[in-house]
Amino acid sequence: GDSVTQMEGPVTLSEEAFLTINCTYTATGYPSLFWYVQYPGEGLQLLLKATKADDKGSNKGFEATYRKETTSFHLEKGSVQVSDSAVYFCAHKGGNNFNKFYFGSGTKLNVKP
Amino acid sequence: EPEVTQTPSHQVTQMGQEVILRCVPISNHLYFYWYRQILGQKVEFLVSFYNNEISEKSEIFDDQFSVERPDGSNFTLKIRSTKLEDSAMYFCASRPGAYTEAFFGQGTRLTVV
Repeated sequence: GDSVTQMEGPVTLSEEAFLTINCTYTATGYPSLFWYVQYPGEGLQLLLKATKADDKGSNKGFEATYRKETTSFHLEKGSVQVSDSAVYFCAHKGGNNFNKFYFGSGTKLNVKP
Repeated sequence: EPEVTQTPSHQVTQMGQEVILRCVPISNHLYFYWYRQILGQKVEFLVSFYNNEISEKSEIFDDQFSVERPDGSNFTLKIRSTKLEDSAMYFCASRPGAYTEAFFGQGTRLTVV
């Protein structure tokens, strides 16, 4: 069935390090893909999205490319900041079910100064 | 900026008691959702609501759960007789159209003792 798998955390990096959080998905059809972020004490906020193959979503220095051939949507940032410390959730919606979202388990990122 | 609002932020209840979790979705949105996240696990879909009725529900959403949109602005999740395993963070979400991203609230942390 439909699902999302993302790398387990926590991921601990020093400020200005390069970040990759892996995400792969299983879906029938052609889902839209999302990254949501949850800062401490807050709700889920949309970080970026991509709606079709080869689309690149980007926001706040984060990027992810919709790779249909590898069913992946890895999150990257070239230089992380302490303020990026949060939990990141990969999600998809669509395929043959346009109604609900499927989430990964979340990856906690800790950035040290 | 419009946002989804959830109350309370934290609810502690005794096993067997009824709880009502409240949400105020963004005003022109048409699709409404409840998700939950048990600590350390995935964000799980519970139920979706459109046009004043449930459009889809998961196997988690059994007869103990119900949703209502009583007055055109609030969207509530009721758990009739809480169990210990209902302890989780519950997220409400809404979206304006069928192909858009979802906007999430900050969540209600439910603790059943």
